[in-house]
Amino acid sequence: GAGVSQSPSNKVTEKGKDVELRCDPISGHTALYWYRQRLGQGLEFLIYFQGNSAPDKSGLPSDRFSAERTGESVSTLTIQRTQQEDSAVYLCASSYGLGSYEQYFGPGTRLTVT
Amino acid sequence: QKEVEQNSGPLSVPEGAIASLNCTYSDRGSQSFFWYRQYSGKSPELIMSIYSNGDKEDGRFTAQLNKASQYVSLLIRDSQPSDSATYLCAVNPGGATNKLIFGTGTLLAVQP
Repeated sequence: GAGVSQSPSNKVTEKGKDVELRCDPISGHTALYWYRQRLGQGLEFLIYFQGNSAPDKSGLPSDRFSAERTGESVSTLTIQRTQQEDSAVYLCASSYGLGSYEQYFGPGTRLTVT
Repeated sequence: QKEVEQNSGPLSVPEGAIASLNCTYSDRGSQSFFWYRQYSGKSPELIMSIYSNGDKEDGRFTAQLNKASQYVSLLIRDSQPSDSATYLCAVNPGGATNKLIFGTGTLLAVQP
């Protein structure tokens, strides 16, 4: 079946602009995750959704970052007033519900802030 | 700070040899352990999960877990040039979250 999809695949934005990144999880997966990977570095956890609620948002780096999920499906990650340090690949993953931790990743959105 | 540590490599092995990748973690409460493969410019791909002490085999891959030593490893038998990639160790710390904490990865280079 279809995997996790993300859009856009690439986004170039000017410093100070807002951006929205989208994630479509695997059908039937109730858990959804956002991670960030800076160039040459490991993955950093940002936020975890179970259904439409976010029991763990401990990785969001500042109040400029927010995320929502609707209909237990699509999620959007919004970054307001982007800074150059926000440049990274933003990865979305999904898994079956509570207790299942095998996470499957989408192709990512490469964000470049100029 | 809950950490997952890996040797960054590169680990260079000849084609056909066994590649051994290692990972240690700091949180004793960790419950679930994963190995992902990441090719350059691509997203991570899940290759193994392991939840209990011992070995778990899947094709050419064997994951080994020792919770007492807080150590997890991945063996790749009959290594192929196509196995050349960065291997990421990931750990779920347990509790109320499903998040994964990732190591920075080990770069494996299989020489033809």
